[in-house]
Amino acid sequence: GAVVSQHPSWVICKSGTSVKIECRSLDFQATTMFWYRQFPKQSLMLMATSNEGSKATYEQGVEKDKFLINHASLTLSTLTVTSAHPEDSSFYICSAASQSSYEQYFGPGTRLTVT
Amino acid sequence: SQQGEEDPQALSIQEGENATMNCSYKTSINNLQWYRQNSGRGLVHLILIRSNEREKHSGRLRVTLDTSKKSSSLLITASRAADTASYFCATAGGATNKLIFGTGTLLAVQP
Repeated sequence: GAVVSQHPSWVICKSGTSVKIECRSLDFQATTMFWYRQFPKQSLMLMATSNEGSKATYEQGVEKDKFLINHASLTLSTLTVTSAHPEDSSFYICSAASQSSYEQYFGPGTRLTVT
Repeated sequence: SQQGEEDPQALSIQEGENATMNCSYKTSINNLQWYRQNSGRGLVHLILIRSNEREKHSGRLRVTLDTSKKSSSLLITASRAADTASYFCATAGGATNKLIFGTGTLLAVQP
């Protein structure tokens, strides 16, 4: 089956620093990648949708200048949390979809803790 | 915004019993999917049911979809302790593959 990886698995950083999270589709070309955020004991909330080679589409209430998304190739998308604050601490999950399938393949998630 | 509401929020059953979770949504969909998430882990795709389907089976899983009521149910038969997890429904609609997740049901299966 399709495999999506995320790196790092977890990261702890100081308030004010920026953190980059990578999402890779390992065995298929992902024309679209999605970024979700999940707070403890809550559901996944879609943050943004990115298509390869174009600007990401952000959901309402998500600051695009704070959460920078780059989808430079068909196998890699990155999410950069800029000037992170403790309230940005969360579980960030990406998913990838090919042009031909409804199905999204999810990465294992990245746990971000901002101290 | 979250579209799906799931009930119950949490459910505890004994091993061997059946577990039923319900999902309601608000707008028209292309398909509805169910996922499982073990604590602090990534999502596992369980089953996808298209808007023109009414029922689908996969192993011990049975999913129904009623588009007139905008609702779906997930039945897990003969539950096992390993089924303990959170279960989420997610709807996909429109031209994109964008998924909107429900609030989730936490299932605990007691051995």
